Amino acid sequence: QQQVKQSPQSLIVQKGGIPIINCAYENTAFDYFPWYQQFPGKGPALLIAIRPDVSEKKEGRFTISFNKSAKQFSLHIMDSQPGDSATYFCAAPYSTFGGGTRLMVKP
Amino acid sequence: ETGVTQTPRHLVMGMTNKKSLKCEQHLGHNAMYWYKQSAKKPLELMFVYSLEERVENNSVPSRFSPECPNSSHLFLHLHTLQPEDSALYLCASSSVAGPGGYTFGSGTRLTVV
Repeated sequence: QQQVKQSPQSLIVQKGGIPIINCAYENTAFDYFPWYQQFPGKGPALLIAIRPDVSEKKEGRFTISFNKSAKQFSLHIMDSQPGDSATYFCAAPYSTFGGGTRLMVKP
Repeated sequence: ETGVTQTPRHLVMGMTNKKSLKCEQHLGHNAMYWYKQSAKKPLELMFVYSLEERVENNSVPSRFSPECPNSSHLFLHLHTLQPEDSALYLCASSSVAGPGGYTFGSGTRLTVV
């Protein structure tokens, strides 16, 4: 049972573009929503996380937008760079991960 | 290093072999996890240890056997594996007190021949 649905599966943007990755969850008891970034040959690394008591959180060029009523949250990458090319996973408590989004940022 | 160290990084084994994967963390975390990551598939949770006790076994075949001797070490014992078991095996740790994110190791790339 997939409790977090992530889209799109893959995404290509030009350098400087703003890729947006979306996740939808089902369990209203979830109270913590992290995003992970994974480069080839490495394990996922925690990138940014949000709690449902706020609607937005920014860390550098990365922003999470949270919509509690819609049970959705999104990752935005401002001024994307080729070095941001990686696979991104959304997650929720109880070891719940989305299916991943493979992002390519073209120079 | 991320704080979670996995060895070996790469492993090739025959279907009749027995091998073990090792994971070590010194972050003061008290929960540890094994995940399987296959190409074009979501992360699959295999085992969870919380306070050194196994709390979840996600219907994993018995050819995978976990061991958690203390809060800093986690092993995955492998025997009579199948080619479809070839994947990246990831170890992660977290604090039970949470909520908080997981710290992952770099994984062991396993190839079963």
